[in-house]
Amino acid sequence: SYELTQPPSVSVSPGQTARITCSGDALTKKYAYWYQQKSGQAPVVVIYEDMKRASGIPERFSGSTSGAVATLTISGAQVEDEADYYCQSADSSGNLRVFGGGTKLTVL
Amino acid sequence: QLQLQESGPRLVKPAETLSLTCAISGGSIRSSTLYWGWIRQPPGKGLEWIGTVYYSGGTYSSPSLKSRLTLSVDTPNNQFYMKLSSVTAADTAMYYCAGAGYCTGASCGFDPWGQGILVTVSS
Repeated sequence: SYELTQPPSVSVSPGQTARITCSGDALTKKYAYWYQQKSGQAPVVVIYEDMKRASGIPERFSGSTSGAVATLTISGAQVEDEADYYCQSADSSGNLRVFGGGTKLTVL
Repeated sequence: QLQLQESGPRLVKPAETLSLTCAISGGSIRSSTLYWGWIRQPPGKGLEWIGTVYYSGGTYSSPSLKSRLTLSVDTPNNQFYMKLSSVTAADTAMYYCAGAGYCTGASCGFDPWGQGILVTVSS
């Protein structure tokens, strides 16, 4: 299918591990990309090609996939990690892009 | 460093056409990346992919917008455009342009992004 599904919200205390999932059939064949969007700012890539960390992103951010589910993990989440997170992939042709609905991460 | 900047009218009347420009600096529309894209975000909502355009002129559009959308490139002026016709209040959103980034072959994310432009559809 041409949809990606994310939980609307995830909440953790500082120092805990936050996991945000993204599910969709497209992920069995296409890479997942993860974006962080802080309030009033444009999105920024944090993870690309399922598990590679983008330039300048702290090591506590990691990505993984299993079947049709991609997961963004923030190990030891910090208050500054509070943001909306979006996954993105492509359809089976690779030509159409799609974003997940977004997950609001609260760290407090 | 590649930078993108959106411009265009911030207020569009219902049924009219929304026209936006994305100016590229610090790089070439021909060679800096594989393709260029448009993404929008209604107030308080999530990101929606609008479409992508290649410097050769090839385009791909969201199925939900395809009938109203025109994407194009302006190579001499190093910019690209989107036009969305017959707009309604549902098209009110922050509109972002972006370049293809972190590519392996034809698989890319979107990086960098412009700062976005808020377009309101209202009479």
